[in-house]
Amino acid sequence: AQSVSQHNHHVILSEAASLELGCNYSYGGTVNLFWYVQYPGQHLQLLLKYFSGDPLVKGIKGFEAEFIKSKFSFNLRKPSVQWSDTAEYFCAVNAWTGRRALTFGSGTRLQVQP
Amino acid sequence: DAGVIQSPRHEVTEMGQEVTLRCKPISGHDYLFWYRQTMMRGLELLIYFNNNVPIDDSGMPEDRFSAKMPNASFSTLKIQPSEPRDSAVYFCASSRSTGQNTEAFFGQGTRLTVV
Repeated sequence: AQSVSQHNHHVILSEAASLELGCNYSYGGTVNLFWYVQYPGQHLQLLLKYFSGDPLVKGIKGFEAEFIKSKFSFNLRKPSVQWSDTAEYFCAVNAWTGRRALTFGSGTRLQVQP
Repeated sequence: DAGVIQSPRHEVTEMGQEVTLRCKPISGHDYLFWYRQTMMRGLELLIYFNNNVPIDDSGMPEDRFSAKMPNASFSTLKIQPSEPRDSAVYFCASSRSTGQNTEAFFGQGTRLTVV
C-alpha cells in the first residue's frame, strides 16, 4: 500500500521568503506524484504533477517540485512566496498499477505574512 | 466544462437523520471518487467507481454509509442514520483513464454538520 508523509504541518513565512515543503512517499514501484493546493474554504486544485521524464516539474503560480527517486521524495518549492499563497498544500501519490485513487498526505498549512 | 459539481454545498442535519450528498462528474470521466476531509484524519478515500461500478469501498466507515452511481453522470453518498462524528467536508472527484495520467479533478465539496 502507498503512504505519504508531509513532515511540515504548519509553516509561517514572510512575503518574498523562499518555500520548500517536504513530501516523502512509501511505495516500491512506479508512481505518479501530485501537489494540490486548497485555498481557505475552497476545493483542491492541482498545482503540478509528475508522471515520468524530467524529475524537475514546473507548475502554476511559480511552483516547482523535484522528484528524487532514491529518496522517495517530491518536495515543493517556490523561490518567493506571496500573501496569496496562504493555503493548505497536499502531496499525493498513486501507483502505476493497482489502486487508481490518490493517497494524500496530511497536508501542510502555509501562512504567508505581509 | 463546468467541472465536478456537488450539492448541496452545506448541509446541517440532526443526528439520526438521513443525509444524501450528490455529485456530477466531468463529462467523459470514467472514474469517480468520494473523499472525506476532517481536521483529525485529513483526506480519506471512502470509495471509488470505474464505469459506474464500485471498485474499492474499503474506506467506507461503516454500514451507515452507502454510495451509488446509477449512471455515468451522477453519484450519491448516503449516510443513514447520521451521527455527529460524520461532520466533515465531503469531496467528490473524477478522472479519465488516459494512460498513466491519474490526475483527479475535485468538486467544491459539501460541508456536513450533524448536530
